[in-house]
Amino acid sequence: GDSVTQMEGPVTLSEEAFLTINCTYTATGYPSLFWYVQYPGEGLQLLLKATKADDKGSNKGFEATYRKETTSFHLEKGSVQVSDSAVYFCALIQPATGNQFYFGTGTSLTVIP
Amino acid sequence: DGGITQSPKYLFRKEGQNVTLSCEQNLNHDAMYWYRQDPGQGLRLIYYSQIVNDFQKGDIAEGYSVSREKKESFPLTVTSAQKNPTAFYLCASTLGEDRGTEAFFGQGTRLTVV
Repeated sequence: GDSVTQMEGPVTLSEEAFLTINCTYTATGYPSLFWYVQYPGEGLQLLLKATKADDKGSNKGFEATYRKETTSFHLEKGSVQVSDSAVYFCALIQPATGNQFYFGTGTSLTVIP
Repeated sequence: DGGITQSPKYLFRKEGQNVTLSCEQNLNHDAMYWYRQDPGQGLRLIYYSQIVNDFQKGDIAEGYSVSREKKESFPLTVTSAQKNPTAFYLCASTLGEDRGTEAFFGQGTRLTVV
């Protein structure tokens, strides 16, 4: 079945470091891909999305490119800030199964000054 | 502003009690979902509903029940049959079938058994 696999954390970086969080997926057809962010004690917020192959989603300095050939959607940011500390979830939505959502297990990021 | 509202934010339950978590949305979304999140873990699907008066079990439905009498509302009852209910519960909604788009989430309810 469909699934999402993302790199395990926790990840700790210094401020202004480069961030990559890997995400790969298994799915039939043409799912849409998402990155969500969760700050402590809160719900999930959409960070960025891509709906077809080669699309690049971007927001707040974060980027991810929908790579169908490698079934990947890696999250990157060139220079992280302390305020980026949160848990990041990769997800896909599968139209073939009535828009069922599949989430990765989440990657905790801590940015230290 | 449109969005999803979960209440209460914190809920305490005694052993053997049923409790109901509220989820209301004014986004005119057809589909609604309940997820459970345990510390340091991902999201697990409890129940989902694509239309009013219809819902399906997710991966961990045992010990939970839901209803979908109105489009805007999808309450979750945690019954006494749920042996380990302490967790963070998240409600979400999407436009629904054939209109795939992102999910919108509520702020969550933290349930603690005392």
